[in-house]
Amino acid sequence: AQSVSQHNHHVILSEAASLELGCNYSYGGTVNLFWYVQYPGQHLQLLLKYFSGDPLVKGIKGFEAEFIKSKFSFNLRKPSVQWSDTAEYFCAVFTNAGKSTFGDGTTLTVKP
Amino acid sequence: DVKVTQSSRYLVKRTGEKVFLECVQDMDHENMFWYRQDPGLGLRLIYFSYDVKMKEKGDIPEGYSVSREKKERFSLILESASTNQTSMYLCASSLVLQSGNTIYFGEGSWLTVV
Repeated sequence: AQSVSQHNHHVILSEAASLELGCNYSYGGTVNLFWYVQYPGQHLQLLLKYFSGDPLVKGIKGFEAEFIKSKFSFNLRKPSVQWSDTAEYFCAVFTNAGKSTFGDGTTLTVKP
Repeated sequence: DVKVTQSSRYLVKRTGEKVFLECVQDMDHENMFWYRQDPGLGLRLIYFSYDVKMKEKGDIPEGYSVSREKKERFSLILESASTNQTSMYLCASSLVLQSGNTIYFGEGSWLTVV
């Protein structure tokens, strides 16, 4: 069975600090990797995704993630966070057959 | 813009009632999904469907069933609601996943079972 592990449940940063959220998955086959964000009171929105090609993917709002196949990791990064980045972040793995697994989520609080 | 619409945003039902949650997407997507979201547990897949009348169990299908009679509509059914099914339910849809297509989510349905 596939699984997704997000290492940090709650991260607190000051504005302008750098962010890295860890995501590791276990699955032996081809995967599609996603990071979603959920702002307070809003629905899930796609930040970025990887399915093939360049393992460094760039998403919206200055976020990026790097797929490291040998480490089964897909960590999310942002060089300088803003107060408006306060949200819950979910890493997800989808197989081509449609089976999906989400991590438990990481709550990011950015202090102004 | 892709739109995934969940018809009921907030529901309160009694234990034992049969509950229908409806989801409609307007982009001719093959795949549709139902998840529940609980604090600290992330999103857990209940069922997904990759075509009309086709369905696959997810990680937590017990107590739920689904129906997909038309491509645009995917219904989640709680045959006999119980208090442990109080949760946020999310519907999603996508084109085939091999091409790295995005999964789009609805706004969610808050279900309280009393």
